Amino acid sequence: GAVVSQHPSRVICKSGTSVKIECRSLDFQATTMFWYRQFPKKSLMLMATSNEGSKATYEQGVEKDKFLINHASLTLSTLTVTSAHPEDSSFYICSACRESLRPDTQYFGPGTRLTVL
Amino acid sequence: AQKVTQAQTEISVVEKEDVTLDCVYETRDTTYYLFWYKQPPSGELVFLIRRNSFDEQNEISGRYSWNFQKSTSSFNFTITASQVVDSAVYFCALSESFGNEKLTFGTGTRLTIIP
Repeated sequence: GAVVSQHPSRVICKSGTSVKIECRSLDFQATTMFWYRQFPKKSLMLMATSNEGSKATYEQGVEKDKFLINHASLTLSTLTVTSAHPEDSSFYICSACRESLRPDTQYFGPGTRLTVL
Repeated sequence: AQKVTQAQTEISVVEKEDVTLDCVYETRDTTYYLFWYKQPPSGELVFLIRRNSFDEQNEISGRYSWNFQKSTSSFNFTITASQVVDSAVYFCALSESFGNEKLTFGTGTRLTIIP
């Protein structure tokens, strides 16, 4: 199956710092990647759709300036949590679809657990 | 608006028993896709199945089977002869038609298999 990686898998940072999370499709190209957020024992909530070469599309209620998304290439999207605060602590998961097989199943990365102190 | 409902928050069964996880969805689209994902304690979502709205055939894959009924807007998932490794949170999800794979997830069902 398709492989999606995320880095780092776990990060702890101080309040006020910025944290960058990378999402890579390892064996396929992905024009579109998705970023989700999951609180403990809760469902996944879509934050934004990341499009290669263009601006991300954010879901209602998600702050664009808070969660910066950059889709620099067909295999890499990054999510930067700017000026992180404890309420940003969560499990962040990315997913990607294989461009050659649209519509396609989303393949998920292993997730990044962010803890803001 | 799309919505996915998984009414069962938590289920516990004894190993080797069969268990069915329910999923009911709402959508205005005539073309859509339904999914099931497994999330073990490690956190990574594992893809189990994708079904499009025009394919109502039930599917069996080993101990897993899925029952899709458009008449009741349901896409239920059954595990037969459950095993401890099946313990996980299972999510049902819905996506729109071709070209937009935004997923709407249900709230998940936490399945515990008791040895």
